[in-house]
Amino acid sequence: EAEVAQSPRYKITEKSQAVAFWCDPISGHATLYWYRQILGQGPELLVQFQDESVVDDSQLPKDRFSAERLKGVDSTLKIQPAELGDSAMYLCASSQRQGWDEQYFGPGTRLTVT
Amino acid sequence: AQTVTQSQPEMSVQEAETVTLSCTYDTSESDYYLFWYKQPPSRQMILVIRQEAYKQQNATENRFSVNFQKAAKSFSLKISDSQLGDAAMYFCAYRGLNYGGATNKLIFGTGTLLAVQP
Repeated sequence: EAEVAQSPRYKITEKSQAVAFWCDPISGHATLYWYRQILGQGPELLVQFQDESVVDDSQLPKDRFSAERLKGVDSTLKIQPAELGDSAMYLCASSQRQGWDEQYFGPGTRLTVT
Repeated sequence: AQTVTQSQPEMSVQEAETVTLSCTYDTSESDYYLFWYKQPPSRQMILVIRQEAYKQQNATENRFSVNFQKAAKSFSLKISDSQLGDAAMYFCAYRGLNYGGATNKLIFGTGTLLAVQP
């Protein structure tokens, strides 16, 4: 069964360092999402791609976060510099298209900033 | 802005018993989707059940069913014949129709941690 892949699964970094997360969506899925899940809260959308284009990045802290999906397939989310408050689970999800299609989630990357 | 509220941080149920998880939401839209997601420890989130707001009939998926009360903006999940594998964090989520290429992001509640006692 096809799954969304994410790496690394766990990352510990010191504040002010740079960190990057990678996501490979299910093959053929045009829409890709990055969510952030702070401990004790529900996930919150950071950025949504339709193919290689950004559809929504209104909640992405653009002074330190960046996301790209250059060929419309896999995606990278970067944080530079990392802050203590960035400690969270970063979830990637994909769907075939926008609209009704179900979003399939990856296992997430748990980031700890020390 | 739409919001989703789950007022039960934790719930517990005996194996084989029935449990109901509560969810309320707020929106000014008339058509939308509602979901329940399950997030087991250290595993990915999976969709449990979904409901289209225009459908009056409550959705069911095997042992999982919902009680959708549109006027009250309530969307509860009932798990029948609870099993040990049902233990997980459960999230209620909302998504608008958002035609025209706009975002169709999920808006999540804070979750309910369900424990199943043997």
